[in-house]
Amino acid sequence: QSALTQPRSVSGSPGQSVTISCSGTSSDVGAYSYVSWYQQHPDKAPKLIIYDVNKWPSGVPDRFSGSKSGNTASLTISGLQADDEADYFCCSYAGSYTVIFGGGTKLTVL
Amino acid sequence: QVQLVQSGAEVKKPGASVKFSCKASGYTFITFVMHWVRQAPGQRLEWVGCISGGNGDTKYSQKFQGRVTITRDTCACTVYMALSSLTSDDTAVYYCARGQGGFDPWGQGTLVTVSS
Repeated sequence: QSALTQPRSVSGSPGQSVTISCSGTSSDVGAYSYVSWYQQHPDKAPKLIIYDVNKWPSGVPDRFSGSKSGNTASLTISGLQADDEADYFCCSYAGSYTVIFGGGTKLTVL
Repeated sequence: QVQLVQSGAEVKKPGASVKFSCKASGYTFITFVMHWVRQAPGQRLEWVGCISGGNGDTKYSQKFQGRVTITRDTCACTVYMALSSLTSDDTAVYYCARGQGGFDPWGQGTLVTVSS
């Protein structure tokens, strides 16, 4: 399977909202409601921020929200904060016990 | 709290094998699946495989089939990953992550460097 497609970078000012897209196919994102999103700060392990398309793990603020339409999933971050500056990866189940990730998006808070 | 602590960095020569560990605490080990995900320098995350904490069943990415072995020790609450026939392309940080509606939490990572 190929990786999911994400924009290489997005940016926004504090307080604004940004949306990161994650484009897949009818065999992965479009087929299953098992899309998750991860935040990764430099030299740190990834952190789960959204699972099952639009659910929040405990402790993650609802400024982070997920959605899916067809073969594309999206992560929206509202009320941008300086600490949101990080890399964001999407992930989808692709059937037959296979998991694929996106290439990652670097979020810059201006 | 749930915590995954991984073993230290490894340096190996091409063609060698490596084995590293992930010790879990703060939850019932046998009730969750543990996954391994790797990240080469500046690259995307890549799923390697997983093991059931309960019955030890394993699933591997087709890319690593035949080169990777994931095992567990339920008494020690520890999962192991072994990778053989190493090449420079295997240089990466290897993370363990608990399967829980997504991967959560993650270990701190084990850097494996393959260099002659």
